[in-house]
Amino acid sequence: AQSVTQLGSHVSVSEGALVLLRCNYSSSVPPYLFWYVQYPNQGLQLLLKYTTGATLVKGINGFEAEFKKSETSFHLTKPSAHMSDAAEYFCAVSGSGTYKYIFGTGTRLKVLA
Amino acid sequence: KAGVTQTPRYLIKTRGQQVTLSCSPISGHRSVSWYQQTPGQGLQFLFEYFSETQRNKGNFPGRFSGRQFSNSRSEMNVSTLELGDSALYLCASSFGTGDNQPQHFGDGTRLSIL
Repeated sequence: AQSVTQLGSHVSVSEGALVLLRCNYSSSVPPYLFWYVQYPNQGLQLLLKYTTGATLVKGINGFEAEFKKSETSFHLTKPSAHMSDAAEYFCAVSGSGTYKYIFGTGTRLKVLA
Repeated sequence: KAGVTQTPRYLIKTRGQQVTLSCSPISGHRSVSWYQQTPGQGLQFLFEYFSETQRNKGNFPGRFSGRQFSNSRSEMNVSTLELGDSALYLCASSFGTGDNQPQHFGDGTRLSIL
């Protein structure tokens, strides 16, 4: 069965600092992995996706993630945090054949001035 | 290009009632999925529809049902509402059913049960 674990339900960084949000997955088949962001009172917006090919994936708003099969990880990074990055971030895996997506529990990012 | 549209944005119901939520996918998208989001359980998959057929179903009781119309619009129905059904219900659409296709989400319907 597939699963996703996001370490740290809350992460705080200073404006301009590196953002690192962790995601580990469990899958018996090659996974498709996604990162989404959710702002208050809104739906989820796709940041980036890994399907096949290059393991370093670049997304919108300066975010990127690296698929590491040996570590079963897909951590999200951004070199320099901006106040507008404050939101909740979700990692998701698909490909189980039963559930369309399995989501992690989310990480709420706070950016300090 | 218009995004996924969910109506209504907010609903207040009482226990025992039923409710219908509506979702209009992005034009050209034929797959529609529904999710329930709560603080305690997070985001949970309800079901997916493609070409008016339910393809997958999550682990929810039969009180939760859905359907899809020929224009790909979808509705979700919850009968005999319980307090625990209070949640944000999100609809997502994608062009096809492939697992590698990203889903595009609406802003959700926030359902409150009194």
